[in-house]
Amino acid sequence: QVQLVQSGSEVKKPGASVEVSCKASGYTFTDYYIHWLRQAPGQGLEWMGWIKPNSGDTNYAQKFQGRVTMTRDTSISTAYMELSRLSSDDTAVYYCARDWNSGDYVGWFDPWGQGTLVTVSS
Amino acid sequence: DIQMTQSPSSVSASVGDRVTITCRASQVISSWLAWFQQKPGQAPKLLIYATSILQSGVPSRFSGSGSGTVFTLTISSLQPEDFATYYCQQANSFPITFGQGTRLEIK
Repeated sequence: QVQLVQSGSEVKKPGASVEVSCKASGYTFTDYYIHWLRQAPGQGLEWMGWIKPNSGDTNYAQKFQGRVTMTRDTSISTAYMELSRLSSDDTAVYYCARDWNSGDYVGWFDPWGQGTLVTVSS
Repeated sequence: DIQMTQSPSSVSASVGDRVTITCRASQVISSWLAWFQQKPGQAPKLLIYATSILQSGVPSRFSGSGSGTVFTLTISSLQPEDFATYYCQQANSFPITFGQGTRLEIK
């Protein structure tokens, strides 16, 4: 079955960077966009951007421009999201999610990874 | 950015009740709207996309409607497993944005 498995929880100090991985299985990795989203404790959902695994093209939300980098390794069907210059406001569960549509982007998310808690604390 | 506003923020209901959640967009988004269900400690689950299309495996008691700027999610007869938080999401333009969520609680 289609599955996205993310890396484990992280604790980082302010100013540091974090990288979260998302390993895909059950489908052809290069056929679907991967999105990254986050959810602060007790808060709603926030979209961060997408990567097109086939080409490596990315599209980041303006809020994260300059701080986020999304990459992929097609040989192991894994997408990565690196967020730099962390602050306490970045404490959240980070999710990867596959775009619903094969080929072109549509912007519906299914399925999702299990989430990765990133805690930023001094 | 397109602002998505859900109402109510929370609702209490009983098993068997019919519940409707409304989502309003700050500008026209055509039919580019999805609904998600999220239970505590879990990732969101796609219920409905393109306003009214039920994702595979989602029970038919869930339905969506609307167009333009006003959309609704209706659960026709609440089941115990439906108590969760629901989010709407627009995919009409970047950045993709979500409503603040509606918490559906057991009365």
